[in-house]
Amino acid sequence: GENVEQHPSTLSVQEGDSAVIKCTYSDSASNYFPWYKQELGKRPQLIIDIRSNVGEKKDQRIAVTLNKTAKHFSLHITETQPEDSAVYFCAAINQAGTALIFGKGTTLSVSS
Amino acid sequence: GAGVSQTPSNKVTEKGKYVELRCDPISGHTALYWYRQSLGQGPEFLIYFQGTGAADDSGLPNDRFFAVRPEGSVSTLKIQRTERGDSAVYLCASSSSGGPNTGELFFGEGSRLTVL
Repeated sequence: GENVEQHPSTLSVQEGDSAVIKCTYSDSASNYFPWYKQELGKRPQLIIDIRSNVGEKKDQRIAVTLNKTAKHFSLHITETQPEDSAVYFCAAINQAGTALIFGKGTTLSVSS
Repeated sequence: GAGVSQTPSNKVTEKGKYVELRCDPISGHTALYWYRQSLGQGPEFLIYFQGTGAADDSGLPNDRFFAVRPEGSVSTLKIQRTERGDSAVYLCASSSSGGPNTGELFFGEGSRLTVL
């Protein structure tokens, strides 16, 4: 089945710096790759997603890139702010198209 | 409702007991998912409902776990003969579309289960 690897597990940056989180997936048929943000004690919430027919998508300070050949995708956050501190999860669709398979998460800490 | 509602928010039980966790999805959402999240881990898929039927239950760890959605709205996750390893946050999510790649998953706050 689908396997999603995510790194780093923790990431500390200074306010204003950029942060990059990377994920790899195993199922070449996967065609949808969302990113969820989970603040401490809160529910995961979708922040951005990308489909396999595009290589990059941007939404203000957040961007996601996809390399289907290498089977990896990345989240880029620019001009980080303390409120960006959270756990970020990448995900990919399983082969059956019935479930999102999540990575183990990256804890991002932005210090001011 | 305004969002996905899960009850109870916290449940402490003893090893061997039976527990039920309830999920009330966003009104009109046909797709419903159960996930399990252990400390420091990502959500682990358990089961996916489309309407009343379980379209994929391949994530249920064993036959002690069962879930129902009899009227295509509220769902109940049932765990028999609980074990300490079942301790986790059980997350429910719903979506307005068919399949997780057709629409955003809206998660509930979760039910934290502790098995002593």
